[in-house]
Amino acid sequence: GNSVTQMEGPVTLSEEAFLTINCTYTATGYPSLFWYVQYPGEGLQLLLKATKADDKGSNKGFEATYRKETTSFHLEKGSVQVSDSAVYFCALSDPSSGSARQLTFGSGTQLTVLP
Amino acid sequence: NAGVTQTPKFQVLKTGQSMTLQCAQDMNHEYMSWYRQDPGMGLRLIHYSVGAGITDQGEVPNGYNVSRSTTEDFPLRLLSAAPSQTSVYFCASTVRTGATEAFFGQGTRLTVV
Repeated sequence: GNSVTQMEGPVTLSEEAFLTINCTYTATGYPSLFWYVQYPGEGLQLLLKATKADDKGSNKGFEATYRKETTSFHLEKGSVQVSDSAVYFCALSDPSSGSARQLTFGSGTQLTVLP
Repeated sequence: NAGVTQTPKFQVLKTGQSMTLQCAQDMNHEYMSWYRQDPGMGLRLIHYSVGAGITDQGEVPNGYNVSRSTTEDFPLRLLSAAPSQTSVYFCASTVRTGATEAFFGQGTRLTVV
């Protein structure tokens, strides 16, 4: 079956620090990969996505590259801000599993950025 | 544009009570789903629907029922609440074509005592 493994949290950084949140996956087919962000008290929002190998998704200064050879999709940001404090979820959808619209999520990583 | 609307936002139930969590979307998406979010476990799929009149089970369906009489609405019913169902519940809708963005509601925080 499909699974997503995320770096354990929580992660606490100072403002302007570099962020990496690791994500690796297993999938039976050729998945699409996503990062979702959940701000306090809110639902999940799509942050970025990549649909094929070597694609780079980017949004709001965050980036992640689809690495098929290492089955990874690590999230990075060069300089975090206090407003980036949130829970980040790595996820995949795999058409070979029967539905391209079903998402498999990682456990989430809580990020806190201190001023 | 309302997107996905969930009600209520908070609910406390006694063990054995039943209730319905409401979910409505105004984006004309055919695919809708319910997840529960528990600490350290991410989001787990409860039930999903690929269109009106069609529903199916996800990873953790026991204790929950769903129906899809219209494209817009996808309610989740707890038949006899148990403390193990204490969780945050999210409804999501996704466009039909391709592996694209899922839109989530703000969630319902349910406590079963």
